[in-house]
Order: sequence, then structure tokens, then C-alpha cells
Amino acid sequence: GENVEQHPSTLSVQEGDSAVIKCTYSDSASNYFPWYKQELGKRPQLIIDIRSNVGEKKDQRIAVTLNKTAKHFSLHITETQPEDSAVYFCAASRLYAGGTSYGKLTFGQGTILTVHP
Amino acid sequence: DTEVTQTPKHLVMGMTNKKSLKCEQHMGHRAMYWYKQKAKKPPELMFVYSYEKLSINESVPSRFSPECPNSSLLNLHLHALQPEDSALYLCASSPIGASSYEQYFGPGTRLTVT
Repeated sequence: GENVEQHPSTLSVQEGDSAVIKCTYSDSASNYFPWYKQELGKRPQLIIDIRSNVGEKKDQRIAVTLNKTAKHFSLHITETQPEDSAVYFCAASRLYAGGTSYGKLTFGQGTILTVHP
Repeated sequence: DTEVTQTPKHLVMGMTNKKSLKCEQHMGHRAMYWYKQKAKKPPELMFVYSYEKLSINESVPSRFSPECPNSSLLNLHLHALQPEDSALYLCASSPIGASSYEQYFGPGTRLTVT
């Protein structure tokens, strides 16, 4: 099955700095890579995702890059703010099609991001 | 309605009790999921329902019994649980078509087994 490795496990930055979190995956059939943000006691929230036919995607201060050959993808947060502090999970999935579409997410172990004011 | 809801928010149960967790969505999603999340760990997939049919069971013990009575509702029936089953139980759903990959999570039920 799929295996997703995520680094670093903790990341501490000053407000305004950039933060980068990296993930690698093992299954070459995976074709969807979401990132979730989970604040303490809250639900995981989908913040950005990328599909295997795209190399980079950006949404305001957040960007994700994908290198299919090397099987790794990264989350980039620029101009970090204290409210970005949370646990971030990467995940990999492939779509099971044939009339019963669903995805099977395999998560990385998470990165605790702390942004100091 | 644009979110997944779960009830109850918290549940404390003894090892001999029977209880149920409920998940609901009214977004027209046809895939629904149960995940288990222990503290400081990622969510782990338990079950997937697609079009109200069980599509994936990740070798979950039979003391957890899922049910999908209709396209909006997903239940998880609990019986004879162990203390190590204490965790946050998350429900998620995903749409059909090109966005089938995207899973949206409910707030979870925090379960404590005593």
C-alpha cells in the first residue's frame, strides 16, 4: 500500500518568515495530493491540493509543488502569521473509479507549525 | 448546507455499552468515510461507503459496525469497546465526478472508553 513520509515533524518560524513542509510518497499510482490544516480540537481542513497532471498550484500565501518523478511534494507558506500555527498533514490518494468514485487518503505523520509573533 | 455534521461531540462509554455515532451531510456527496484519530497522530481510514455500499473495510474489528442508511447519513455502531479505542472519530464525505478526491471532514466525536 501507499506510504507517506512527512518532514519536519515540528517547525518554528517568526511571523513574516516562510515555512516549507515536505512529503514523499511510495505508490506511483497516487495522483492526488491534498494538504490539511488541523487546529487544536478542530477538524482537519483542506487548504490546498494538487493533482498529478500539475506541477505547481498557488492560492494567496500558500503554494504546493509536485515532482512526480521523485515522488515528492511540498507545501510553501509565505508571510506566515500566528493564525497559521497548527498541525499540517499531507496526504496521497488515488481515485477508485468505475462508477463508484471515492479516494483513499494516506496521511503523513504531520508537522506542528508554530509561528511566533 | 455546506458542511459535515457529527453527533455527539463527546461520548463516554463503558466497555459493555452499546452506542452509535452519527454523521450527516446534505451536499449531495455520494462517498462517506469513517476515520479514527489518536492524539498527535494522523487520521486513519476505517471504512468507505460509496453510493451507500461498503467499499473499503480497513480490517477494522467487528466491535465497530458501520451503516449507511441513505446518501446523507452514516452511522458507526459501537459495542464492547476497549480503552484503546478511545480517540477522535472523524467522518468525511466527498463529491462525485471530477472532485471525487476532495474529502471534507466533520468536527468529530471524541470518544472515551472507560
